[in-house]
Amino acid sequence: AQSVSQHNHHVILSEAASLELGCNYSYGGTVNLFWYVQYPGQHLQLLLKYFSGDPLVKGIKGFEAEFIKSKFSFNLRKPSVQWSDTAEYFCAVNPYTGFQKLVFGTGTRLLVSP
Amino acid sequence: GAVVSQHPSWVICKSGTSVKIECRSLDFQATTMFWYRQFPKQSLMLMATSNEGSKATYEQGVEKDKFLINHASLTLSTLTVTSAHPEDSSFYICSARATGTGSNTGELFFGEGSRLTVL
Repeated sequence: AQSVSQHNHHVILSEAASLELGCNYSYGGTVNLFWYVQYPGQHLQLLLKYFSGDPLVKGIKGFEAEFIKSKFSFNLRKPSVQWSDTAEYFCAVNPYTGFQKLVFGTGTRLLVSP
Repeated sequence: GAVVSQHPSWVICKSGTSVKIECRSLDFQATTMFWYRQFPKQSLMLMATSNEGSKATYEQGVEKDKFLINHASLTLSTLTVTSAHPEDSSFYICSARATGTGSNTGELFFGEGSRLTVL
């Protein structure tokens, strides 16, 4: 079945460590890609998105993601995490160009220890 | 960014009763809103797409008579869980797409979610 996979369900890092969260999808054709973040007690917020162009996308708060079409991947990275990055991160795919339906991954819970 | 508000944020009800959850776009108009359901430790699952002034489009496997959606205005969509049962207990999240946004942006704004517990 077509899906979005986030292989890391829980990640624990110390402050200043580098972060990479994996996201793979199984849809063919054109896709729009998103990373959302949900801080404790807050609603989902958009971190970054990719529609076309440069496959390396920069988002808010120092996050970036790289779209690798051949690998059907859109991994999220941050070179140096902070305690305030503790949150749950969701990868999402819009499998139809111009269509708003999003398919979410299962999420990765990140805990950054001070 | 744009604000989407859900109410109530938490509701407990008895089995067999109906519960209404509201989703409001506070500072923008939304012709399209989406209702998601999230089970513990699982992903958000799209339930239905709510279009202002027309019938909602339900995803496969979602009972439209069970989950009534009304999108009567450009700022309000409601989800009513009818004759709720314990298996309907879940976290329901709405999202909205602002009008005037380019058709290919796809950005959605999410509500805080509503946790339903059916006893």
